[in-house]
Amino acid sequence: EAQVTQNPRYLITVTGKKLTVTCSQNMNHEYMSWYRQDPGLGLRQIYYSMNVEVTDKGDVPEGYKVSRKEKRNFPLILESPSPNQTSLYFCASRGLAGGEEQYFGPGTRLTVT
Amino acid sequence: GQSLEQPSEVTAVEGAIVQINCTYQTSGFYGLSWYQQHDGGAPTFLSYNALDGLEETGRFSSFLSRSDSYGYLLLQELQMKDSASYFCAVRDVFNKFYFGSGTKLNVKP
Repeated sequence: EAQVTQNPRYLITVTGKKLTVTCSQNMNHEYMSWYRQDPGLGLRQIYYSMNVEVTDKGDVPEGYKVSRKEKRNFPLILESPSPNQTSLYFCASRGLAGGEEQYFGPGTRLTVT
Repeated sequence: GQSLEQPSEVTAVEGAIVQINCTYQTSGFYGLSWYQQHDGGAPTFLSYNALDGLEETGRFSSFLSRSDSYGYLLLQELQMKDSASYFCAVRDVFNKFYFGSGTKLNVKP
């Protein structure tokens, strides 16, 4: 089954404790992206990657890091989480030859206290 | 950057037709997409307009007018399961995506 998976689905952590949210897709998609979703603000892109070893900042990259060492994986790293990073996070992928559709993972709800 | 505006909430009755508008300010983009998101779920792709005009996919249609910086999603024969949030989105020339803040559609019996 074609899918995007994220782990963990729920995470409660404390300020300053480094964390990583994993994202993996099995569709051989070149494009991968991370979004955060906050009430009333829609989806805002954090980082995106056009292919392995190619990453670029989205609209709200501050406080986040990413890496793309393998085509299927695109982890999101919060080195020193703060309460304003409490949000719902989605990973998405898109095949460059497959049109405009993005396939989203199930989401990760992060709470930073 | 880009700015996309949508109404925050729309209510309609089952069987009716509803139009969700999206106006945008952008310096350059490839086309306008629409996504549906049910409460607690992930966004799912509905449609894409690369060119001006109407695209139809079953009960859903989407329209784009670049000269008016405007698009809409048209949902016909509304069903209760259409109650969800709907987002318009654009991909700019640098391959960044921008989403509107979303429109919550309430379908009443």
